[in-house]
Amino acid sequence: SQQGEEDPQALSIQEGENATMNCSYKTSINNLQWYRQNSGRGLVHLILIRSNEREKHSGRLRVTLDTSKKSSSLLITASRAADTASYFCANPHFTGNQFYFGTGTSLTVIP
Amino acid sequence: KAGVTQTPRYLIKTRGQQVTLSCSPISGHRSVSWYQQTPGQGLQFLFEYFSETQRNKGNFPGRFSGRQFSNSRSEMNVSTLELGDSALYLCASSLEGDREQPQHFGDGTRLSIL
Repeated sequence: SQQGEEDPQALSIQEGENATMNCSYKTSINNLQWYRQNSGRGLVHLILIRSNEREKHSGRLRVTLDTSKKSSSLLITASRAADTASYFCANPHFTGNQFYFGTGTSLTVIP
Repeated sequence: KAGVTQTPRYLIKTRGQQVTLSCSPISGHRSVSWYQQTPGQGLQFLFEYFSETQRNKGNFPGRFSGRQFSNSRSEMNVSTLELGDSALYLCASSLEGDREQPQHFGDGTRLSIL
């Protein structure tokens, strides 16, 4: 399987704290994308980081990428209850529009 | 702009039956991909259609098939249903199917096999 893994599998924090989740992948990548999935809903694209980038920001989100370690991390700062969701990293197959999704981190933000 | 629409939202079938799921992509999007999501296996790629042609295929048996129409709407068919086919089936669309474009997901069809 070329599926990646997220770590931790589950994370519970208080509102206002920062949440960090990590992703490891197995193949060489062109880019890596992060998605959020609220319970019972589809996935929503959050951010894309290219293989030649090391860090990217979008609002309260900060993503880092280390291609030598085949890993990425997603930091959500000043978390809110509405951030409660599962978070997935995804990397596309190098030659096609086929994405390999990680196993996901379930984040619970307690108000 | 309307998002990706999947119908039906819920389905209950019995073993041996067949089922057809439908996906309407965002207007103008030509690529439609299908994924199976289960607690044990996570998100697994089924196939991708672009301009009515299957362009990529995941590692699923031939019981899983799909097609895309000229208006980019897509259907997925599963024949001879098995208990293990119980899952959330997600459809995603993108403009040109470029791997640097974000995938826009529908809310899925929850398929339960009894």
